[in-house]
This record gives sequence, C-alpha cells and structure tokens, in this order.
Amino acid sequence: NAGVTQTPKFRILKIGQSMTLQCTQDMNHNYMYWYRQDPGMGLKLIYYSVGAGITDKGEVPNGYNVSRSTTEDFPLRLELAAPSQTSVYFCASSYKAEAFFGQGTRLTVV
Amino acid sequence: KQEVTQIPAALSVPEGENLVLNCSFTDSAIYNLQWFRQDPGKGLTSLLLIQSSQREQTSGRLNASLDKSSGRSTLYIAASQPGDSATYLCAVLAGANSKLTFGKGITLSVRP
Repeated sequence: NAGVTQTPKFRILKIGQSMTLQCTQDMNHNYMYWYRQDPGMGLKLIYYSVGAGITDKGEVPNGYNVSRSTTEDFPLRLELAAPSQTSVYFCASSYKAEAFFGQGTRLTVV
Repeated sequence: KQEVTQIPAALSVPEGENLVLNCSFTDSAIYNLQWFRQDPGKGLTSLLLIQSSQREQTSGRLNASLDKSSGRSTLYIAASQPGDSATYLCAVLAGANSKLTFGKGITLSVRP
C-alpha cells in the first residue's frame, strides 16, 4: 500500500516557468488537499477537493490551479512561477478520518 | 473560520521529563483532531487521531486528549527522549467540506 505519492521530490524552476506537481493516492479517499509549508508559518491550504470533478480554493490559491479528474489523482499546476512560490508542497488525502501525507516536493523558484 | 493555535512555538526540556503540548481551536464542531510529528526536512507522520466522540487516545508513551467544549487538545509525552525532538503539529478536520486546518506547530528539543 503506497499511500500518498508525490513527484517530483525536488525541483528548481526559473521565474515565469510552469510546472505540475503530481499527487496520487491508492486509498480510495474522496478528500484530497494541497498545502504549502514555509519556515515558521505552518501549513497553509492551497486547494482541496471533496471528490472527482469537485475542487475549491483554500487560504492561498493565487498562482495555482488544480484538477481532479479521478479519485486517485490531484495534480497542482503552477503557472508563471514566482520567487514567492518557493516552498515545500505537501499533498494529503482523507475521508472524515485519519489524514495521510505525501513526503513533499521542495520547490525553489530562481 | 477555524483557527488552530499552538503555544509555545518552541520548547526545550531535559531527557526523562514528562511534558504536555497544547493545541486550541476556535470552532468546536469538528470531526476529529490529529497530532502529527515532523522531522526537519521530512514529511508529516501521523501520531494519534481522536474522533470527536472520543476523549483520548494512547500510543506507547504518547497520550492525546480532546475537550471539544473548551476547544482544547493536549499531547502528553512520557519520559521524553532525545529521539522525540521534532516539530509537533495538531490539525482539526471540520466543516461541510472537511477542511483540515493546522496549527503552526511546536518545535520540541529534548536535551540529553
């Protein structure tokens, strides 16, 4: 049972480039989340999804987009990367119970 | 809007001490509360999950309690060890869309 898998683990982007952070879970959870974690700031919710085809904004959605075409996958898209998006990104899944997290993607925008 | 607070931000204790980490939340209408551990540069590891109908959960040297009416949870660590040094985060699952809201965490250092 792989749980929540995120790829890539590390990435360096140039300002203005775009990329997609991948997240997949094999627990058949309906709820999935994307967070970013900055030093001393805790985890902030970017987007979340309550099921396939349904997504909603969290606290800090600007500069990001998501899609949820299947229960398993919840990719996060960064368009026109900015230095402010340098962070560690975590994906999680749950269903009104224990939340499980991926190992994170460390993104640096230069 | 649900807000989760963890105070203090950092804590240093000598090895062997029993300690309590606090977590408070503003909206008591939660599904559950979860405590996580995060080591530097790593992901989040779930420690304990307390459902809204439960008062406490135990795992080894860890005991977590939940008082929904007062909006508080505590994580009790018995006989602390240097290997317990990490950041401890609490999160509540609440709302019609089951949003998971985190506190900023408490960074614990256990001195040998």
